[in-house]
Amino acid sequence: DIQMTQTPSSLSASVGDRVTITCQASQDITNYLSWYQQKPGKAPKLLIYDASDLGTGAPSRFSGGGSGTHFTFTISSLQPEDIATYYCHQYDNLPFSFGQGTKVEIK
Amino acid sequence: QLQLVESGGGVVQPGGSLRLSCGASGFSFRNYAMHWVRQAPGKGLEWLAFIRHDGSHEYYVDSVKGRFTISRDNAKNTLFLQMTSLRAEDTALYYCAKDKTFRIKGYIDSWGQGTLVTVSA
Repeated sequence: DIQMTQTPSSLSASVGDRVTITCQASQDITNYLSWYQQKPGKAPKLLIYDASDLGTGAPSRFSGGGSGTHFTFTISSLQPEDIATYYCHQYDNLPFSFGQGTKVEIK
Repeated sequence: QLQLVESGGGVVQPGGSLRLSCGASGFSFRNYAMHWVRQAPGKGLEWLAFIRHDGSHEYYVDSVKGRFTISRDNAKNTLFLQMTSLRAEDTALYYCAKDKTFRIKGYIDSWGQGTLVTVSA
């Protein structure tokens, strides 16, 4: 089974800061990786798919990169409404799996 | 407008069974693979199960294999999760999720709001 290691588990940054989250897969998953945002009490929402493609309706300040085993998710300019937990998800090999999540807070 | 509405959650004793349902609307349900994902209180997301668009193949995470069964009724636009031999660690919010495609290597593009399952004596 593929393990997804997501770092950091939490971060605190100021409004306007550039924020980057990383996700490491235990084996090559090509680009079969998506990123989700989950706000408290809400269902997750798709932000990025196929490692770097922006989901429908997702703001352009969100971006993704990487391939193989190393992936990044970036918020170019952190906004107050970005306070949430972010998850990576691999859909290359069954069973699919999620990273542990990164909680993003405002400093 | 696409909607996924889960139901069937509740409180069940350890060793008991429960059947979750997910009603789908606003898209052609029969053309898309579907997933179940759960989230224990205060914890992260755990992928559980996948079923192809036509119900021909099912896949499970090891922690639920042999205890949970995913199925679908395309005529009724409904996804199911039959859960048996429930344990305290199965306590979670259970999400129904839609895949982008009918094939295996597709990503989840839509989620329901979840139904809460509590396993407790």
